[in-house]
Amino acid sequence: GNSVTQMEGPVTLSEEAFLTINCTYTATGYPSLFWYVQYPGEGLQLLLKATKADDKGSNKGFEATYRKETTSFHLEKGSVQVSDSAVYFCALRAAGGTSYGKLTFGQGTILTVHP
Amino acid sequence: GAVVSQHPSWVICKSGTSVKIECRSLDFQATTMFWYRQFPKQSLMLMATSNEGSKATYEQGVEKDKFLINHASLTLSTLTVTSAHPEDSSFYICSAVPRLTSGGVSYNEQFFGPGTRLTVL
Repeated sequence: GNSVTQMEGPVTLSEEAFLTINCTYTATGYPSLFWYVQYPGEGLQLLLKATKADDKGSNKGFEATYRKETTSFHLEKGSVQVSDSAVYFCALRAAGGTSYGKLTFGQGTILTVHP
Repeated sequence: GAVVSQHPSWVICKSGTSVKIECRSLDFQATTMFWYRQFPKQSLMLMATSNEGSKATYEQGVEKDKFLINHASLTLSTLTVTSAHPEDSSFYICSAVPRLTSGGVSYNEQFFGPGTRLTVL
C-alpha cells in the first residue's frame, strides 16, 4: 500500500537557520505530493504541492521538489522564523483506482523556532 | 474562501454515551468529505470517506457501527461516536473536497476543519 515516512522530530532551530524536513514515500503509479502545516490549535493548511515528477512546489519561502528517482519530497526553507513553529505533515494522494482522492500522511514533524 | 468548520471544538463525555461531531463547508459545496483520527504526536489516520447522498466508505479496521457517518447535504457531514469508551478519546478531523461547478469533484485540494478533541471519561 501507499506510505509516507518523515524524519522524526522534534526539530528545534534558531531564527534564520536553514530548515530541511525529509520525506520519502512508497506508492504505485504517479501520486501527487503535499506538505501541510498545522499551527497550534488550528486545522491543517496546505503549504505546497507537486503533482508530477520534477515539479517544485513553493509557498511562503518553503520549497519542495518531487523526486521520482529517490521517491522523495523534502521540505526546505532558507531562513526560518519564529512564526514557522508548527507541525508539518508530508502527504501523498493516490493516482487512481479505489484510493483515488485519499490522502496518506506521514507522522508529522514538530518544528520549534527560537528567537 | 474554502473554510471548513467543526462543532464542537472539544467535548467531554461519560463512557457509554454517544457524541455527534459536525463538519461543515461554509462557503462551498462538498460532495465528498473525509474523516480522520489523530492520536497524540501521531499522524492522521483516515477513518472513512463520506459522500453526499450515499453510504460512507470505511477504511479497514474502522467499525462502521461505532463511527456512524451521515452526509445529509452538500455542506454537512456528521460523525457520531456511539457508546463511546476511553479508548475513543482522540482528535477527530474532517476535510472537504469542493464540488466543481460542472458537477464533478476536484481532488486538487482537501480543506481541513480545525478538529474536535473528544475525551471520554
